[in-house]
Amino acid sequence: QVQLVQSGPEVTKPGASVKVSCKASGYTFINYGISWVRQAPGQGLEWMGWISTYNGNTNYAQKIQGRVTMTTDTSTTTAYMELRSLRSDDTAVYYCARDEGDSGYDPNDYWGQGTLVTVSS
Amino acid sequence: DIQMTQSPSSLSASVEDTVTITCRASQYVGAYVNWYQQKPGKAPNLLIYATSALQSGVPSRFSGSGSATDFTLTISSLQPEDFATYYCQQTYTSPSFGQGTRLEIK
Repeated sequence: QVQLVQSGPEVTKPGASVKVSCKASGYTFINYGISWVRQAPGQGLEWMGWISTYNGNTNYAQKIQGRVTMTTDTSTTTAYMELRSLRSDDTAVYYCARDEGDSGYDPNDYWGQGTLVTVSS
Repeated sequence: DIQMTQSPSSLSASVEDTVTITCRASQYVGAYVNWYQQKPGKAPNLLIYATSALQSGVPSRFSGSGSATDFTLTISSLQPEDFATYYCQQTYTSPSFGQGTRLEIK
């Protein structure tokens, strides 16, 4: 069965960086893109970006462009999201999600369990 | 960026009621609208994709319709497990979500 298992919670300070991992299993990794979505406490869903697992192409949300890098390791079927220069308003649950295709414009049919990132001095 | 505006923001209903949630896009999005259900502390779950296609395993009481800029999610004969928050999403351009509609038990 398809599974996306994310790394554990992180507590970090303003100005630092965080890297969240997402281990995929149960399907052919390079056939489906991976999107990242975050949710601040009590707030809605915010799309952060997408990476093609086939060729590494990326598309990032304008709001975080320049602070985010998404990568994949096809040998371990793991996707990564690194966010730099963290601010308090980056505190959120970060989700990885499988895209139904690899165009960057597909619905998200499987989701990780979420990783809480807390930014606090 | 395309803005997705859902209404209402919250909604109270009873078991076996039929409810409709609407989503308006700030510009044309074709049929590239998806709907998700999210329960507290859980990841979202895909219900409807491409405006009206039912995701595998989703009960048929969920349905979607619309085109261009106006879309609806209808839940017929509400069940206790349907009380949750619902989000629309456009994937016509760089994806974006609506702000969510919280469906509560009356």
